[in-house]
Amino acid sequence: NAGVTQTPKFQVLKTGQSMTLQCAQDMNHEYMSWYRQDPGMGLRLIHYSVGAGITDQGEVPNGYNVSRSTTEDFPLRLLSAAPSQTSVYFCSYTGTGGETQYFGPGTRLLVL
Amino acid sequence: SQKIEQNSEALNIQEGKTATLTCNYTNYSPAYLQWYRQDPGRGPVFLLLIRENEKEKRKERLKVTFDTTLKQSLFHITASQPADSATYLCAGNSGSARQLTFGSGTQLTVLP
Repeated sequence: NAGVTQTPKFQVLKTGQSMTLQCAQDMNHEYMSWYRQDPGMGLRLIHYSVGAGITDQGEVPNGYNVSRSTTEDFPLRLLSAAPSQTSVYFCSYTGTGGETQYFGPGTRLLVL
Repeated sequence: SQKIEQNSEALNIQEGKTATLTCNYTNYSPAYLQWYRQDPGRGPVFLLLIRENEKEKRKERLKVTFDTTLKQSLFHITASQPADSATYLCAGNSGSARQLTFGSGTQLTVLP
């Protein structure tokens, strides 16, 4: 999985619960992203970070928070889960060429 | 808004034939397009990148074309094998050079 670890692999939440999806890479890549993948809709960018301490919103940021205190870690937080957030979440980093994305194995989230 | 569109219908072909997948882009002109492979339960894996000033690029049994007049990229797998069965995603750069807009993918099944 290209050196990206994601935990947990699978999670079930009840509406209103909060949780953090973990993402880590150990190759000192600056640029990291979070995507969600839903059937028939492809991957959509939630948030991204160009380096420690710098984050920005992507296409679908509502309901999600991120932080980047270190280069290695880029956690995604759901403050109050909703059924619409049922999805598969992928974390990625951008390779040194600045174009290719390398993805983790994903976290499958079910919100009841 | 900018869109990357792929044929959502699954594609079934016989082993040994050439598979051809289509990617169309609308409302923008990407500087490059990328193709990824995704197996069930896994994250996407980068295959090829082609820039707008390149007509064609090859890698082993894979070939990608970029037609700026038709606003289309074609992805070919020659001498296809059952192991090529997967979902193939097309993506174009968007926003900053390091952000990608993804299509919804085409599921390819190579029948033995």
